[in-house]
Formats: sequence, structure tokens, C-alpha cells
Amino acid sequence: DQQVKQNSPSLSVQEGRISILNCDYTNSMFDYFLWYKKYPAEGPTFLISISSIKDKNEDGRFTVFLNKSAKHLSLHIVPSQPGDSAVYFCAASDSNYKLTFGKGTLLTVNP
Amino acid sequence: EADIYQTPRYLVIGTGKKITLECSQTMGHDKMYWYQQDPGMELHLIHYSYGVNSTEKGDLSSESTVSRIRTEHFPLTLESARPSHTSQYLCASSEYSRPQETQYFGPGTRLLVL
Repeated sequence: DQQVKQNSPSLSVQEGRISILNCDYTNSMFDYFLWYKKYPAEGPTFLISISSIKDKNEDGRFTVFLNKSAKHLSLHIVPSQPGDSAVYFCAASDSNYKLTFGKGTLLTVNP
Repeated sequence: EADIYQTPRYLVIGTGKKITLECSQTMGHDKMYWYQQDPGMELHLIHYSYGVNSTEKGDLSSESTVSRIRTEHFPLTLESARPSHTSQYLCASSEYSRPQETQYFGPGTRLLVL
């Protein structure tokens, strides 16, 4: 039973537009959420995170929104660039510190 | 960001061979992790360590074993490789701090067992 779900396996956007990647979770004990970016044959790279006491965190072109009541978070990338093309993983952690990952969403940014 | 290294990056090996995947980090992080990932799937935690001489099995059962004799080193060993072990193996480390504990990953080892 997946506790972290990324229901869109892929997303395609035009360069310069906004990319919105979504993630849902079921475990109400999760209190810290992270987004990672992964290129093929490389390890995941940490992008941005958010604590459950916040509803928004922004870092440059990347913003993560958290809706605790809906158990939903999203990553906004604006403006999208071709170099953003990668697989994006949502991850969640509880007091045990271990991360639970979603299956990832492949983002393709077209020039 | 952590400097974390994995070798080899790619490994093709025959069934029955013993292999060790190396993972080292230079940040002095207490906690280290091993994940297994198949294409299109989530990362699954197979081992973790909270410090020297501490190792625990993760959520996904694995025939591999790990050791943590030094803070910076967390090798993973398969005594007898099988085709079912073919996967990508990712090592990560993090500082022991709450609430904002972030894991940083190495580049991974792609293992193919023939």
C-alpha cells in the first residue's frame, strides 16, 4: 500500500511556462516533505523541502505548497527550463526519520 | 550539500559472485542509508545506520548485508549475486538533526547480474 503517491507518471510543458507536479500522501504522521530531482543513471538531487508547520516554501524558481487537510503537496517550477527535464520524486518523513518515496513523475520541458 | 561517493558506478557480474558496493561520505554525517530502485518505481530503503557499529534492515527485505566500522564508510555486500539483484543501488547520508533532516544521495551503482 503506497503511502506516497505521484499519480502522474509524466508531464510535458513548454519552456517558460509553469510546471506543477503533484503528490498525495496517506500517513498523517508524516511531518516533513521533500522533492528530489533525478537524471538517468544518477542519484537523486535534493531540491526543496517543507515542514508540516508551513504551507509554502520558496527557493528561486521552485515553490512547494502543502495542504495538510487534503494530504497533498505540489511543486511549482516557474519558469520551466529544458534543463529541468528529469524525474521528480516526492518523499515524506515521520519521526522515525526514514523517507518514503513516491514513484516519480517524468517532467519534459520542450524548447 | 553532502559529498557522497559510490563505486563502482556500473557493474556487470555473473551469478554466484560475491560483490561489495562502496559508499563513502566526507561530511561526517552520522546517518547513512542504502536504497534500491528499479526503473519507474519508488526508492525502497534496504539498510540504514545511525552511527558506527549500528546497522538496521530497512522496509524492503534484501539478501545484502552492510557494515559501519567507520563513520564515513558504509559498504553493501552481496555474498552470492543473482539476476533478481539487478537494480540500481543508491547510498545516502544525513545529519542527525530534527526537524529538517535532509538525505543527500550518491550517484548510485547500476548492477546487472547475468
